[in-house]
Amino acid sequence: KAGVTQTPRYLIKTRGQQVTLSCSPISGHRSVSWYQQTPGQGLQFLFEYFSETQRNKGNFPGRFSGRQFSNSRSEMNVSTLELGDSALYLCASSLAGGIGQFFGPGTRLTVL
Amino acid sequence: AQSVAQPEDQVNVAEGNPLTVKCTYSVSGNPYLFWYVQYPNRGLQFLLKYITGDNLVKGSYGFEAEFNKSQTSFHLKKPSALVSDSALYFCAVRTALDTGTASKLTFGTGTRLQVTL
Repeated sequence: KAGVTQTPRYLIKTRGQQVTLSCSPISGHRSVSWYQQTPGQGLQFLFEYFSETQRNKGNFPGRFSGRQFSNSRSEMNVSTLELGDSALYLCASSLAGGIGQFFGPGTRLTVL
Repeated sequence: AQSVAQPEDQVNVAEGNPLTVKCTYSVSGNPYLFWYVQYPNRGLQFLLKYITGDNLVKGSYGFEAEFNKSQTSFHLKKPSALVSDSALYFCAVRTALDTGTASKLTFGTGTRLQVTL
């Protein structure tokens, strides 16, 4: 099976812009979670989607949003980018009710 | 609230020697515990997990971890370290209470393992 794929792998944006990141889960996985990784804050949970519904959300401002499509692919959007949004954004997928999460390679976002 | 502590920012070990990367956790109910490894500019790779059963869990690349409920620990071990094991290691926990409803993982801050010749 193909692993979790994330596109694009690298992004450079400027403050105030918005960005959309994409994640395709492992075939058959219906749960997709997003995490932000920064040197200062480490790995932090953003949100999780299952069957096109957000069922868990971390402590991030409303500028961070996401959605999931009927084929389980997920996107996350960050509006009005700030310098502090520069991070590696990781997507993970798991089976419905599954215990293990499998991570993609991440999208490196740099905000200038 | 659940939490994970990795008390060592870095662990240094000589190739061929045994290694231990420490992890303690706090969670409501029974824990599901995980170890992931991250190489530079890469995502997280799954190493092993503890769900239930035998306290000694064997995983990928010769790694194993020992679950100790009384000490709320889940230390990662390998009998003989390799230079190629040098990477960033993360311990993670989720509560068994969330099964089927949410998959949120709480991660530790990571431990950098440096294996030298």
